[in-house]
Amino acid sequence: QVQLVESGGGLVKPGGSLRLSCAASGFTFSDYYMSWIRQAPGKGLEWVSYISSSGNTIYYADSVKGRFTISRDNVKHLLYLQMNSLRAEDTAIYYCARLRYSGSYIAFDIWGQGTMVTVSS
Amino acid sequence: QSALTQPASVSGSPGQSITISCTGTSSDVGDYNYVSWYQQHSGTAPKLMIYDVTNRPSGVSNRFSGSKSANTASLTISGLQAEDEADYYCASYTRSNTWVFGGGTKLTVL
Repeated sequence: QVQLVESGGGLVKPGGSLRLSCAASGFTFSDYYMSWIRQAPGKGLEWVSYISSSGNTIYYADSVKGRFTISRDNVKHLLYLQMNSLRAEDTAIYYCARLRYSGSYIAFDIWGQGTMVTVSS
Repeated sequence: QSALTQPASVSGSPGQSITISCTGTSSDVGDYNYVSWYQQHSGTAPKLMIYDVTNRPSGVSNRFSGSKSANTASLTISGLQAEDEADYYCASYTRSNTWVFGGGTKLTVL
């Protein structure tokens, strides 16, 4: 079945780095845009970044621009989020989501279970 | 990019209908028909309920419907059921080629 499984979360000190991974299965990964969305404890959803199917088009939220880097490996069916210069406010559950981006269907239609990132000294 | 505005909470009794609003600007909700709605039960990942303002993905109950007028989108749930109790989030594509979510609405079924 269609599935996204995140990994790589954990506890990191302020200023540190972490790389999240998202393993996709059950669909043709290289056909789809992908995205990262986060949710701070007890808070709402915040879009973080998305990447086109080829990897040539990338956008970031202002809150992470210059610190986070999204990438993908279409051979291994993996999505990544490299997070540098982490701050306490980056503490959140990070969800990987498939982004349907066709002319008649634009939405995050499949979500992973999330991986928790805690930034604390 | 400021978050879309949703009411913090709404409530209704079983069988009733409720509507959740989602207000943005002419640079997001008002500019595109790319508003989607997500349901999130406590401790679980969000689930897509409505896409492109009015469309339901396969498997989503027809008790869920969406609409939009100017800069405000709405999600209506009819025939409220206990299982509908959850947090609901709207999202919109923006003129900056980014995405913005609403702050979320907690639905309580009385």
